[in-house]
Amino acid sequence: DTAVSQTPKYLVTQMGNDKSIKCEQNLGHDTMYWYKQDSKKFLKIMFSYNNKELIINETVPNRFSPKSPDKAHLNLHINSLELGDSAVYFCASSQYGTENTGELFFGEGSRLTVL
Amino acid sequence: GQNIDQPTEMTATEGAIVQINCTYQTSGFNGLFWYQQHAGEAPTFLSYNVLDGLEEKGRFSSFLSRSKGYSYLLLKELQMKDSASYLCAVIDSNYQLIWGAGTKLIIKP
Repeated sequence: DTAVSQTPKYLVTQMGNDKSIKCEQNLGHDTMYWYKQDSKKFLKIMFSYNNKELIINETVPNRFSPKSPDKAHLNLHINSLELGDSAVYFCASSQYGTENTGELFFGEGSRLTVL
Repeated sequence: GQNIDQPTEMTATEGAIVQINCTYQTSGFNGLFWYQQHAGEAPTFLSYNVLDGLEEKGRFSSFLSRSKGYSYLLLKELQMKDSASYLCAVIDSNYQLIWGAGTKLIIKP
């Protein structure tokens, strides 16, 4: 059983399109995250949800909108895709938020390429 | 600003020992993680340090000095499968996780 699974793993699309990435965790964790890893390999937090409540919203464009229907799912919708959005997007979960120093469990990543 | 510094790339020989350093300047400190990331894969947890000293876990050990803003990851008896990027991440005073860019470790036979 995959602990944190995200789909799709690869996504190639044109500029201006809208796309979604889905994430599910079966670990019973309270907190889920979306990270962006660019070509320089920096991991940048985008969003964090704790039990369906948004607790971090970094300065990402409002074209990115997270949605959490329940605490096991955190989806990412991106409107009007731009070339700079090309990156690998990782979903992650932790038992607690980092306040309790819980380790992060990452999904396999979704590689988005915008042409 | 907040900053985490790691060497970009290191090379070591199979069977040897390698030490990957991480220095940090953050607004407060609430712990430091090391993660391993193989190319094209997700990061996986290696270690967590919050108190000064050495934490040993099999072939891997992690050291922390809070007064120096310094940590290292020590890998012993290197194997080819240890070729990966090693990411240092610090929890700051706001409980935000700040990531380094990672150190790409290349193991040669």
